[in-house]
Amino acid sequence: GNSVTQMEGPVTLSEEAFLTINCTYTATGYPSLFWYVQYPGEGLQLLLKATKADDKGSNKGFEATYRKETTSFHLEKGSVQVSDSAVYFCALNDAYNFNKFYFGSGTKLNVKP
Amino acid sequence: GAGVSQTPSNKVTEKGKYVELRCDPISGHTALYWYRQSLGQGPEFLIYFQGTGAADDSGLPNDRFFAVRPEGSVSTLKIQRTERGDSAVYLCASSTTGGNTEAFFGQGTRLTVV
Repeated sequence: GNSVTQMEGPVTLSEEAFLTINCTYTATGYPSLFWYVQYPGEGLQLLLKATKADDKGSNKGFEATYRKETTSFHLEKGSVQVSDSAVYFCALNDAYNFNKFYFGSGTKLNVKP
Repeated sequence: GAGVSQTPSNKVTEKGKYVELRCDPISGHTALYWYRQSLGQGPEFLIYFQGTGAADDSGLPNDRFFAVRPEGSVSTLKIQRTERGDSAVYLCASSTTGGNTEAFFGQGTRLTVV
């Protein structure tokens, strides 16, 4: 079946620190991979995506590379800001199963000034 | 509209009551999804509509839950005989048809059953 596992939070960092949030997946087909972000009081927003192996998604200084050999899609940012504080969800999308999304449990990031 | 709209944003109901949650998707999006997000968890799939029909309802937890989308646009999630365990944030998302496409989420309806 399809599933996503991501590191538990909360993750607390100082401003300008390096961020990694680990995400691994299990899929029966050839999924696309996504990172969604949920800022306090707001809905889920797409942060970045990658549709095939070795693709790198990037946005707002965040990056993630689709690694088929390790079934991973780790989120990284070189220098976090206080405004990055949010909950981050890794997800996969199964185009052969009604485009259904499968989400990880979320990782809360707290960035301190 | 500019995005996916869900109403109400908050709903408190008594155990045993019936509730309806509404989702207005992005205009032109044929695919519509309902998800449920419990505290500290990721969204869990409930049901998927392609147009007016429910193409996949495998995530509905039991027969107290059902959803409709009669004209292929607005959808209503209906919960009968609510239980305290139904308390969660119910999310709606819409997308264009096709694989690998982004889903756009509404802000959700927070349902509290007391």
